[in-house]
Amino acid sequence: AQRVTQPEKLLSVFKGAPVELKCNYSYSGSPELFWYVQYSRQRLQLLLRHISRESIKGFTADLNKGETSFHLKKPFAQEEDSAMYYCALRRTTSNTGKLIFGQGTTLQVKP
Amino acid sequence: DAMVIQNPRYQVTQFGKPVTLSCSQTLNHNVMYWYQQKSSQAPKLLFHYYDKDFNNEADTPDNFQSRRPNTSFCFLDIRSPGLGDAAMYLCATSRGDGTEAFFGQGTRLTVV
Repeated sequence: AQRVTQPEKLLSVFKGAPVELKCNYSYSGSPELFWYVQYSRQRLQLLLRHISRESIKGFTADLNKGETSFHLKKPFAQEEDSAMYYCALRRTTSNTGKLIFGQGTTLQVKP
Repeated sequence: DAMVIQNPRYQVTQFGKPVTLSCSQTLNHNVMYWYQQKSSQAPKLLFHYYDKDFNNEADTPDNFQSRRPNTSFCFLDIRSPGLGDAAMYLCATSRGDGTEAFFGQGTRLTVV
């Protein structure tokens, strides 16, 4: 069965500190991985996807198939990064955008 | 400009009284989804429409139904809400090629 695990419910760091939000997945095929973010009182929105290999708002994530991980990283956290972050998986055999979400990690960046 | 709009934002319903949540989109996307998110849990897909084709998830209770009368609108009907159905319900859309999903702000359902 496909599963996405985010082991930390809450990650609290000081401004300027590095951030790593962990995500592990289980899927027998070749998945497509995403990070979605939800800022306070806003809708869930896409932050980045592994196939685009972009850096968005200073965040990057690399798909490690050997470790089945897709950790989200930022070298220097900002207060405006405080939000709920969800890792999500889409089966590449699916012709829709059906997503399987992890439970989410709340990132709290303190001044 | 909001592209996926859910109404209402907050809905209170009585135990066992049918309730309908609505979602509309201005993106002309093929696919519309309904997710249920209970407190401190991951969003869980209930079902989705690919154009007019309805796709139910295997573990979605029969109490949950959906209608998509046209491309723009999709409804979630809960026939007999129980206390366990209290949750945030998220509507999302995407193009049929599986690209980015766009979410509405959600409807928080309370069952009293």
